[in-house]
Amino acid sequence: LAKTTQPISMDSYEGQEVNITCSHNNIATNDYITWYQQFPSQGPRFIIQGYKTKVTNEVASLFIPADRKSSTLSLPRVSLSDTAVYYCLVGDSWGKLQFGAGTQVVVTP
Amino acid sequence: DAGVIQSPRHEVTEMGQEVTLRCKPISGHNSLFWYRQTMMRGLELLIYFNNNVPIDDSGMPEDRFSAKMPNASFSTLKIQPSEPRDSAVYFCASQTGGTEQFFGPGTRLTVL
Repeated sequence: LAKTTQPISMDSYEGQEVNITCSHNNIATNDYITWYQQFPSQGPRFIIQGYKTKVTNEVASLFIPADRKSSTLSLPRVSLSDTAVYYCLVGDSWGKLQFGAGTQVVVTP
Repeated sequence: DAGVIQSPRHEVTEMGQEVTLRCKPISGHNSLFWYRQTMMRGLELLIYFNNNVPIDDSGMPEDRFSAKMPNASFSTLKIQPSEPRDSAVYFCASQTGGTEQFFGPGTRLTVL
């Protein structure tokens, strides 16, 4: 499994855009990039997944450059409820994912 | 859809006792995962099943841990004997064919 590196924490104010960059230099050809969100006392929740270029859903956008050695999760106009730990994972689509330490995002008024 | 169901939600036991954690995956999902989360080690994959068959148990810490999936709607994770270092939140997740794993609410285990 490819190792990922992401910032330990990020602070933001409500209404701002938050961008979390994840490095995965050893990503394999078959690997997808997946992001999960975890609130305290809850299990992680899937946010978005991509293979290359850009993916957007109702929650976030995922930007993946051509070399796929990094990716950026973009959370538009965050609110207090977006305070959580965000995990970047790299793996094939059949399940074995390795969670790193994640990025603690704290949104303040 | 009820989502992934785990029981109990909280378990407090004494060292040496047997602990059994239970999971009911989402109906129709054919893959099931057991994770453990601690402050020190983060979220670790212990074992996962595909179509009720254990595929990878390399994350199971030692022989005191065992997991079974007797049918598509039920799985157990057993620790015997339990030790204080097993204290953690244990998550079960299920998945079907595609990409997203759905996590349960977790079982918080405290071993005294």
